[in-house]
Amino acid sequence: DAKTTQPPSMDCAEGRAANLPCNHSTISGNEYVYWYRQIHSQGPQYIIHGLKNNETNEMASLIITEDRKSSTLILPHATLRDTAVYYCIVRPRPSDYGGSQGNLIFGKGTKLSVKP
Amino acid sequence: NAGVTQTPKFRVLKTGQSMTLLCAQDMNHEYMYWYRQDPGMGLRLIHYSVGEGTTAKGEVPDGYNVSRLKKQNFLLGLESAAPSQTSVYFCASSYRSDSLNTEAFFGQGTRLTVV
Repeated sequence: DAKTTQPPSMDCAEGRAANLPCNHSTISGNEYVYWYRQIHSQGPQYIIHGLKNNETNEMASLIITEDRKSSTLILPHATLRDTAVYYCIVRPRPSDYGGSQGNLIFGKGTKLSVKP
Repeated sequence: NAGVTQTPKFRVLKTGQSMTLLCAQDMNHEYMYWYRQDPGMGLRLIHYSVGEGTTAKGEVPDGYNVSRLKKQNFLLGLESAAPSQTSVYFCASSYRSDSLNTEAFFGQGTRLTVV
């Protein structure tokens, strides 16, 4: 079962920041938070991941609370092409697993609709 | 650089027929995965492999077999297709080491219909 909870859907105006929340209250100390998205029926696309510090890359920012029980993915200037289902996943770092614990377990994600 | 390539992209099978889906990656990844996605659902793990010659069951393995004879290829087989196996199948691969990016790269999917 997925170890995360996300709202089923969200709307965002084009050009505004999209803030997607994720709860992972049972996260373990060696587990990372990963975000993927799936545009229409394409294969999922990696966005960002982090352990306890905030992370930023060219696609998004990831804010993890100090207790690590929740996080927020931020798309700073959402465009229509960002309309997708966004998945938040917790996963041990690869060196800590040799089997199924390292697999990505997908929940239903958040369907983000960016509107003009 | 092709990344993860799935073959075929579409297929229609009759109940009871068999087929093999091929996944090929050119990134020298150790880990490979097969997922299925049904309408309105997230991806569910069928089988995975942590290296050449090794495979393991995922969340929904029944009715499927896999093989990883070469590091770059991961095959998913359906011995006797059933309508319940109508789905979109995604293959993925990733590195294992902490010293490299560990994100998974996904193929574009195979849309399988069993009639």
